[in-house]
Amino acid sequence: AQSVTQLGSHVSVSEGALVLLRCNYSSSVPPYLFWYVQYPNQGLQLLLKYTTGATLVKGINGFEAEFKKSETSFHLTKPSAHMSDAAEYFCAVSESPGGGNKLTFGTGTQLKVEL
Amino acid sequence: GAVVSQHPSWVICKSGTSVKIECRSLDFQATTMFWYRQFPKQSLMLMATSNEGSKATYEQGVEKDKFLINHASLTLSTLTVTSAHPEDSSFYICSASRLGFGEQFFGPGTRLTVL
Repeated sequence: AQSVTQLGSHVSVSEGALVLLRCNYSSSVPPYLFWYVQYPNQGLQLLLKYTTGATLVKGINGFEAEFKKSETSFHLTKPSAHMSDAAEYFCAVSESPGGGNKLTFGTGTQLKVEL
Repeated sequence: GAVVSQHPSWVICKSGTSVKIECRSLDFQATTMFWYRQFPKQSLMLMATSNEGSKATYEQGVEKDKFLINHASLTLSTLTVTSAHPEDSSFYICSASRLGFGEQFFGPGTRLTVL
């Protein structure tokens, strides 16, 4: 079975500050990891994903995440927060990289960006 | 990117009635569609996976007779909530993918309120 833990249901940062959203996973097989963003009353949009290869993954909107197997982590970062980054962020894990495979989501982190 | 739509975006119904939610892939043929349920301030919980032309595979704890899923074509899946009750009120999100895709594409969601 797979699971995802997102530490901190709410994170608040100042505009221009570093964004760090934490995600730890549990998986009995090599994991495939995803970060999604959800704006109010909308579906999810893929930010980035790790399948194999380079452990530092760059995504859209300046976000990146690093897969650390020894720490079972896949934290999401952005060097400088923008007001438009305010949204809900979900980390997810899958047993396979393809889109036809089941995703297990974390409980989400609400990011607030303040002036 | 691929576009997935849902209809309606918001529905209110009386207790005991049935409600149908449609999920369409607009610019690709989806071999697999997923249905999720999201409670306020919580994560997405997978309800079922459906492959075109096959019966849906339901997650443990999801009532098959209450949540009827039909994936009749490569561009359309429907979720019917039968004999809806207030506890069925939730945000329902679908996603779609196909063989070769590296991700699922999510619809904007349908908010169901049962009075």
